Amino acid sequence: GQSLEQPSEVTAVEGAIVQINCTYQTSGFYGLSWYQQHDGGAPTFLSYNGLDGLEETGRFSSFLSRSDSYGYLLLQELQMKDSASYFCARGDNFNKFYFGSGTKLNVKP
Amino acid sequence: NAGVTQTPKFQVLKTGQSMTLQCAQDMNHEYMSWYRQDPGMGLRLIHYSVGAGITDQGEVPNGYNVSRSTTEDFPLRLLSAAPSQTSVYFCASKFGGANEKLFFGSGTQLSVL
Repeated sequence: GQSLEQPSEVTAVEGAIVQINCTYQTSGFYGLSWYQQHDGGAPTFLSYNGLDGLEETGRFSSFLSRSDSYGYLLLQELQMKDSASYFCARGDNFNKFYFGSGTKLNVKP
Repeated sequence: NAGVTQTPKFQVLKTGQSMTLQCAQDMNHEYMSWYRQDPGMGLRLIHYSVGAGITDQGEVPNGYNVSRSTTEDFPLRLLSAAPSQTSVYFCASKFGGANEKLFFGSGTQLSVL
């Protein structure tokens, strides 16, 4: 199968750090991506991990461990505008992409 | 650059009607794809194309047809709409090869009555 598992909802306060985990099945795995989607909007690309380790882009970081079939998205210095849904996605041969069900992040003041 | 443009933004159909969702990109992307998103679910791949004249099925292709006559356009056709096809549809494109970054259109909200 191609399923990805991530928590359905996470709540955090402004200024805090939050981690959104994603586990996946390994068949034909090429890499793990993360997307952000605000209510009523389109998904936008945040980060990609093709190899093990940490990728940092400003306040957002993403981590991958192929041996554990696990990755996470780390959001630091949370802002109200970070309230959105976050999806992990995996590609199998660069042509088929499978998305998790999404994690709704609620940032409270 | 306009990026990925989808039309229409909203559409209501009756069961059995047919229609075409339009998708165009101006980034010279080789790869284009269609997803549907249902409440509480992630995006599911319907069809994709790796270049003009080449299309293939994704996870949920039944009831949908696609064609890719040009690099820029990738229309999605619903042959005989069913209530189960009520969803939000997104078109996405990217450069070919190992590049993983998908660019999404703004979506089409489709209701089938």
